[in-house]
This record gives sequence, C-alpha cells and structure tokens, in this order.
Amino acid sequence: DIQMTQSPSTLSASVGDRVTITCRASQSINKYLAWYQQKPGKAPNLLIYKASSLETGVPSRFSGSGSGTEFTLTISSLQPDDFATYYCQQYKTYSKTFGQGTKVEIK
Amino acid sequence: EVQVVESGGGLVKPGGSMTLSCAASGFTFSNFNMNWVRQAPGKGLEWVSSISSSGSYIYYADSLQGRFTISRDNAKDSLYLRMDSLRVEDTALYYCARDRAPEEWEFSFFDYWGQGVLVTVSS
Repeated sequence: DIQMTQSPSTLSASVGDRVTITCRASQSINKYLAWYQQKPGKAPNLLIYKASSLETGVPSRFSGSGSGTEFTLTISSLQPDDFATYYCQQYKTYSKTFGQGTKVEIK
Repeated sequence: EVQVVESGGGLVKPGGSMTLSCAASGFTFSNFNMNWVRQAPGKGLEWVSSISSSGSYIYYADSLQGRFTISRDNAKDSLYLRMDSLRVEDTALYYCARDRAPEEWEFSFFDYWGQGVLVTVSS
C-alpha cells in the first residue's frame, strides 16, 4: 500500500496567518491527491482534488499544489471557520490511503 | 440535493455480525461508484471498501482479512456493508461516501459523505 505522511500533526496559528500543510507519498501518485477538512462531530468535506483543483463552493483562500510524492495545502489567510483537522488522500490505487491528519488549532 | 444516510449501527459483541446500510438520494445512484470509510474514536480516516456502479468491481482494505462484504442494490438506491467476525478494533464511525470517478473501472476521491453510523464492538 502507498503510505501517506502529513506534517505537522498539529499546527497552532492565528486568524489571518498563512498556513501550509505538507503531505508526502511513499511512491509517486502523480496528481491523484485530494484534501479534506473535518470539523469535530462532522463528516469530512472535500476541499481539493487532483492535487490543485478547488472543489465547487470552497473558498479561494484554500489552494493545493504538488505532484509525484510531495504535496501542500495552503490556506492564504486563516479564518475562524478554518480551525479543523485536514486530511490528504491518495487515489492512484484502489486502496485509497489517507494521511494521519493535521489539526489546525487556535494560537 | 445529494444525500447519503447511513443506518444499522449499534453495539455488538466480539465475534458477532452486523450489516450497515446507506440510503442515497438526490443523484442517479446506479451511475456512481461508492465507498465505506471508517474512523475509530479520536483517530484518523481509514478506507474500508469500494464498489463500482454496477457492482462488477469490488475492493477491500487488506486489514479486513476477508471479514467484510460490500454490496449494493441499485433498484433501492442503497449500499451495504456486511461485517462478520467483528473485533474490538472494528469499533468506529462508518461513513458512506460517493466516488466521483468518471468511469466504472476507475476509483477516485469522495465528493459526498454521510454523517456516519457508530459501530461499537464490546463484550
């Protein structure tokens, strides 16, 4: 299976900060990567797919980049609604593995 | 509005069985691949199983060791997960999720998720 590793595991930031989360794949996944946001007690919500395509309805402060084995999710100006846990997911193979998650906390 | 709603969870003893259901609405269910994803309490997301739109292609996480069976009934717009030989470590919130793959033989990311159903395996 392809392993996905996110860093950091926890991130403390303030409203207005630029935030970057990294996701690394154990082998190349081209651009078959999605990012999800999950708030406590809620289902995950799709943010980005194909590494950099913004899902309809997702604010433009979210962006994704990367290909191969290294990817990033960037929030250009952190808003109060953005404090949540973020997961990357590869879908190059049928076994669609997730990263372990990055919790974005209020500083 | 696209909706997927899970049901069928609860408390079961180790070694027992349980079947989860997912009712879909707001889209043509028979055109979409579907998935189950689980999340143990306080833990991350784990993909469990996928089934193609017609049911022709089915995949499972290796960790399940053949204990789970995914199926669907396109006439009823429903997805199922039969879980046998349940273990304490199967305790989790189980999500039903729609796949956006454009073709039946492809699998992709998840664009709509249900709210999840809790399965607790305990004696």
